[in-house]
Amino acid sequence: DVKVTQSSRYLVKRTGEKVFLECVQDMDHENMFWYRQDPGLGLRLIYFSYDVKMKEKGDIPEGYSVSREKKERFSLILESASTNQTSMYLCASRPAGPSSGNTIYFGEGSWLTVV
Amino acid sequence: DQQVKQNSPSLSVQEGRISILNCDYTNSMFDYFLWYKKYPAEGPTFLISISSIKDKNEDGRFTVFLNKSAKHLSLHIVPSQPGDSAVYFCAASGASGGYQKVTFGTGTKLQVIP
Repeated sequence: DVKVTQSSRYLVKRTGEKVFLECVQDMDHENMFWYRQDPGLGLRLIYFSYDVKMKEKGDIPEGYSVSREKKERFSLILESASTNQTSMYLCASRPAGPSSGNTIYFGEGSWLTVV
Repeated sequence: DQQVKQNSPSLSVQEGRISILNCDYTNSMFDYFLWYKKYPAEGPTFLISISSIKDKNEDGRFTVFLNKSAKHLSLHIVPSQPGDSAVYFCAASGASGGYQKVTFGTGTKLQVIP
């Protein structure tokens, strides 16, 4: 079974704090993603990475950065947390190429509250 | 610009009846479509997918239909069960993006009433 593990399930941070959300996958997938889920807005892509040290902006990258130093690990960084970043954050991974069927595998999610 | 749209935020269905969830897309370059199911406080799980070379794909109680000319797909669940109560997300990807980027809809919350 594919396993995508998000290190923190629930976090409460103060406005202005730097926040790290960590994600590890164990299936040697090339592609990794960070989404956030908000009511009525669905899943919105923040950043994705298609290889080590490579990253691409998604639809809502403002206020976020990412790091991918190793293939299995993809970190989301909030440089200075703000209350509008209170959300559920979902990490995902997927093998490269169309032959894989393009299935994305998600982690359990990290609930972040910024106060 | 919402490229994948699920216009019904919620749907209620009696147990044993058919549930039909709809999804529309605007990007004609999308050629692979997926449905995900999500329970509260859990990550989404993959349900079923369909390639644009097909117009139907079945997996047990779940069937996805694709109408390319209308840029519309639907998920049918027959028969519906209380355990199907969840939020369902439609998603799409395309070769132009190297299949790397997957765009999700806003979700439809399905409630199956016993």
